[in-house]
Order: sequence, then structure tokens, then C-alpha cells
Amino acid sequence: AQKVTQAQTEISVVEKEDVTLDCVYETRDTTYYLFWYKQPPSGELVFLIRRNSFDEQNEISGRYSWNFQKSTSSFNFTITASQVVDSAVYFCALSEENTGNQFYFGTGTSLTVIP
Amino acid sequence: DAGITQSPRHKVTETGTPVTLRCHQTENHRYMYWYRQDPGHGLRLIHYSYGVKDTDKGEVSDGYSVSRSKTEDFLLTLESATSSQTSVYFCATRQPQGAAETQYFGPGTRLLVL
Repeated sequence: AQKVTQAQTEISVVEKEDVTLDCVYETRDTTYYLFWYKQPPSGELVFLIRRNSFDEQNEISGRYSWNFQKSTSSFNFTITASQVVDSAVYFCALSEENTGNQFYFGTGTSLTVIP
Repeated sequence: DAGITQSPRHKVTETGTPVTLRCHQTENHRYMYWYRQDPGHGLRLIHYSYGVKDTDKGEVSDGYSVSRSKTEDFLLTLESATSSQTSVYFCATRQPQGAAETQYFGPGTRLLVL
């Protein structure tokens, strides 16, 4: 079973629109960590954020914000006032305390921001 | 960012030939990983290493082997390349502090098997 689901395969928005990328995870661990990575067209994978299961406080970093809700097992990522440079594939990932060696990645959401 | 390099960055090979990809890190991270990235599948774990000479299989390990003789190097070998192994391969490293630690990725290797 997929531990991390990113149901949105591709999203297109017009520049300056807000966009939310969904991430739903599945785990039985009480201690776990969630991550978001960005993969721009150049291909590298860039770490964006890490969240632990005990901290449900939303986080904002500039135009980026993350909404962690344990009740719905979701860790959604919102880009406010999107820009062309936000065009990338975004991956959500899960790391569990009991299987700490491994990351479980979602299949990614490809975001295109149209100028 | 961890200093992670991969070589080669691009390779074209023929079906049936062995191929070795190298991952080199300068951060002394104990854990190293090999993933493949394919459209519609995201990142899938091939093998990982939790120390020198200590390796384990991931979800798509068939047709691949790995070796880790030094902390800084993790080699991925395609024993007899097939067209289904055409992919982008990423190496990642991680500190051994448990589930909280972030994975950092190399730049990737594009492999085309003809």
C-alpha cells in the first residue's frame, strides 16, 4: 500500500494565483516525520521542509506555507501568489521512527505556473 | 547541503552490458541510498546502506547490486542492463540520527539503455 499519496499528478495555474499541493500519508507510528522536496526543471532535488508528528503548528516561509493535520493525515503545501520559478515537481515524503532508515516518497505533483 | 556527486551524469549503454554508477559524498554521512525516478512512479528505493559493507534491498532491487567499501562511496551496478532500467538515478545521504534526519540528494545520473 502506498504510504504517501499525492493525488494531483499535474496542476497548472496562472501566475499570481495561489495553489495547494495535497499530500496524504499513512502510518501506524506515533512518531514520524514529513518532508517536502522540490525538483525544478534542472532536475536536482531540493529539500524544503521537515515536520514532526508532534508539531501540528502550521509553518510559513515567505510565499510557502504548510498545513499539517493529523486528524486527516495530511501535510499540504500552499504557494501564495505563484511565480514562474515555482514551476517544478514537488514530492512529499514520510519517515517513520520504527523504520527510520527509509523514506517513503509520493509520486509527485508537477506544477506549471503560466505567465 | 551535503557534498554529493554522482558519476557519470549521463550514460548510454546497450542491453546486456554491465553498468556501474558511483555516488561520492564528503559529509561523512553514514546512510546512503540509491533511487530511480520514473514518470508516474516518483522516487523508488533500489538499495540503501547503513554503514561500510552494510547494505539492504529496497522495493525495486531486482537486477541491481550495490557495494560500499568506504564511507564516502556507494556504487550501484546494473549487472546486465535492460531497457526497463532506463531511468534517472539519484543518490542520497543522511545522518544516522534516526527518522528525523533529512535526506540530501545528488544531481542524478541519466541512464539510457538501448
